[in-house]
Amino acid sequence: DVKVTQSSRYLVKRTGEKVFLECVQDMDHENMFWYRQDPGLGLRLIYFSYDVKMKEKGDIPEGYSVSREKKERFSLILESASTNQTSMYLCASYGQIDQPQHFGDGTRLSIL
Amino acid sequence: RKEVEQDPGPFNVPEGATVAFNCTYSNSASQSFFWYRQDCRKEPKLLMSVYSSGNEDGRFTAQLNRASQYISLLIRDSKLSDSATYLCVCSNSGYALNFGKGTSLLVTP
Repeated sequence: DVKVTQSSRYLVKRTGEKVFLECVQDMDHENMFWYRQDPGLGLRLIYFSYDVKMKEKGDIPEGYSVSREKKERFSLILESASTNQTSMYLCASYGQIDQPQHFGDGTRLSIL
Repeated sequence: RKEVEQDPGPFNVPEGATVAFNCTYSNSASQSFFWYRQDCRKEPKLLMSVYSSGNEDGRFTAQLNRASQYISLLIRDSKLSDSATYLCVCSNSGYALNFGKGTSLLVTP
């Protein structure tokens, strides 16, 4: 079974802090994704990566950056957290194109 | 126009009922289709892939209609544990998948 692990289930940070969300997958998947999910808005793609050190902007990249230094790890960075970044953050991965994505448990991030 | 559209519901059905959800997609180049299930405050989990000829997994049946650009999910003999949000997902062979906002199902005793 694919295992996608996110570093924290719940996180509380303050406005202006730099926040790191970590995601690790154990299936040697090339493709990794970061989404946020908010009520009524569904899943929105922030960034994705199709290889080590490669990254592509998704639909809502503003205020975020990512890092993919190793194949198994994809980090999401909030450069200067703001209250409108309070959300559920979900990491996902898959191997071959047209295959389903597998999600981590999610991180509920609150910015105060 | 959103690439994947679903009726948000909620669909309230009694136990044992049959319920069907439809989902429409706008990109005719979409090649892969999936249904995910998401429980409250949990991550989405793959329920089933959708194949061109239609496919069944126990009480769940998925259909694809390319001409009309929609996919469907049929749940027979609904259980209380089927209560969840069902997400329709399409891929156009790019790297990213397109997710619908989900259809909420509540199965009542």
